[in-house]
Amino acid sequence: AQSVTQLDSQVPVFEEAPVELRCNYSSSVSVYLFWYVQYPNQGLQLLLKYLSGSTLVKGINGFEAEFNKSQTSFHLRKPSVHISDTAEYFCAVSIQTGGGNKLTFGTGTQLKVEL
Amino acid sequence: DGGITQSPKYLFRKEGQNVTLSCEQNLNHDAMYWYRQDPGQGLRLIYYSQIVNDFQKGDIAEGYSVSREKKESFPLTVTSAQKNPTAFYLCASTPGTSGDGTDTQYFGPGTRLTVL
Repeated sequence: AQSVTQLDSQVPVFEEAPVELRCNYSSSVSVYLFWYVQYPNQGLQLLLKYLSGSTLVKGINGFEAEFNKSQTSFHLRKPSVHISDTAEYFCAVSIQTGGGNKLTFGTGTQLKVEL
Repeated sequence: DGGITQSPKYLFRKEGQNVTLSCEQNLNHDAMYWYRQDPGQGLRLIYYSQIVNDFQKGDIAEGYSVSREKKESFPLTVTSAQKNPTAFYLCASTPGTSGDGTDTQYFGPGTRLTVL
């Protein structure tokens, strides 16, 4: 079975500073990797995903993530955050099962951007 | 606009009562999913359905039931057997049924259930 670890439950950062949200995964087979964002009391929205090819993936709102197979990581980065980036961020993995696109989620990282 | 709607947004229930959460999508997606979200635990899969009249248990199906009589609808019933039902419930859908793991899941706005 696969699993996802988001070590940081909360990350405070000042506006216009860079940020990195960490994600590590465990799986015995190849995985696909996703980052979703959740604003308060709302559903999740896809930020970006890695399926294959270039290990650097660019997403919406200026976010990017880098897939590192040797370190089994998929960290999310943004060079300069804005107040509006305050939200909870979830890393997730899926595998090719032929039985549904089931996602395994991490426990989430709350990003709080301060003035 | 295409999307997923969940109703109601907030739901209060007395202990021992069954309650049904609605999920409707007009994206013409084949597969639909139900997740439960608790603080600090991320999202956990309750049930999913790849096609009409078929569904499978997820990781935490006990105390829940679903039906998939129409492609656009996937209601979730929280039964009295669910020991700790207070949570935020999210419905999602994906376009295909291949299960190749690459599909993006599209989420509804969620229903917050509180048991009094």
